[in-house]
Amino acid sequence: QKEVEQNSGPLSVPEGAIASLNCTYSDRGSQSFFWYRQYSGKSPELIMFIYSNGDKEDGRFTAQLNKASQYVSLLIRDSQPSDSATYLCAVAGGGSYIPTFGRGTSLIVHP
Amino acid sequence: DTGVSQNPRHKITKRGQNVTFRCDPISEHNRLYWYRQTLGQGPEFLTYFQNEAQLEKSRLLSDRFSAERPKGSFSTLEIQRTEQGDSAMYLCASSPKGGSYEQYFGPGTRLTVT
Repeated sequence: QKEVEQNSGPLSVPEGAIASLNCTYSDRGSQSFFWYRQYSGKSPELIMFIYSNGDKEDGRFTAQLNKASQYVSLLIRDSQPSDSATYLCAVAGGGSYIPTFGRGTSLIVHP
Repeated sequence: DTGVSQNPRHKITKRGQNVTFRCDPISEHNRLYWYRQTLGQGPEFLTYFQNEAQLEKSRLLSDRFSAERPKGSFSTLEIQRTEQGDSAMYLCASSPKGGSYEQYFGPGTRLTVT
C-alpha cells in the first residue's frame, strides 16, 4: 500500500521567516509530487507540482524533490499570516492516475 | 474555465436516507475523482472515472456508495441508507488529458448525517 507521511504539526513560524514542510513517500515508482494548500473548511488548492529531482521555484514557494531519499519538501519564503493553512502532500505515478495524499501539516504564521 | 463545481454545498440528512451529490468538472478534463475527507485527515480516495468509464473504486467503499459519469461530463455520487459515519466533506476533483496527474478540486459538499 502506498503511504505518504507528513508531520501533522502545527508548525509555527514568525511572519517573514521561511517555513519548511516535509513529506516522505513509500512507493519508489512515484513520478509526480504535489503540494496543496487547504484553508480551514475549504477544499484543497494546488500550489506546486514537481516531477524531477531538484528544486522548482514559483514566487515565494520552492518545491524540493529527492527521489533517492523518497523525500519532497515545500519551502515558503517570507511567510505571511495568510499562509496559515494545512499543506497536503500528494504523490502519484507508478502506473496509477490516483494520487495518494498525506494527512497534511498545519502551518501557523504569527505576526 | 470556471473551475470544478459541486452541488449542493451542504447537506443535512437523517440516518437511513439516500443522498446524491453532483460534480461538474473543468471542461475538457477527462479524469474525475471523488474523495472523502474528515477532520484532520487527507482526502481519502473513493472512485475515479476516465471519460465515462469508472476505472477504479476504493476497496474501502461499501456497496451503499455508487457513482456515475454519464457521457463523460458531470458525475453523481449517491450514498444509500446513510449512516452517521458517512458525515464528511465529499470532494470532487478533475485532471486534464495526458500524462499529468495534477488535480483541481471543487469546493466540496459537506454532509451531516443526524
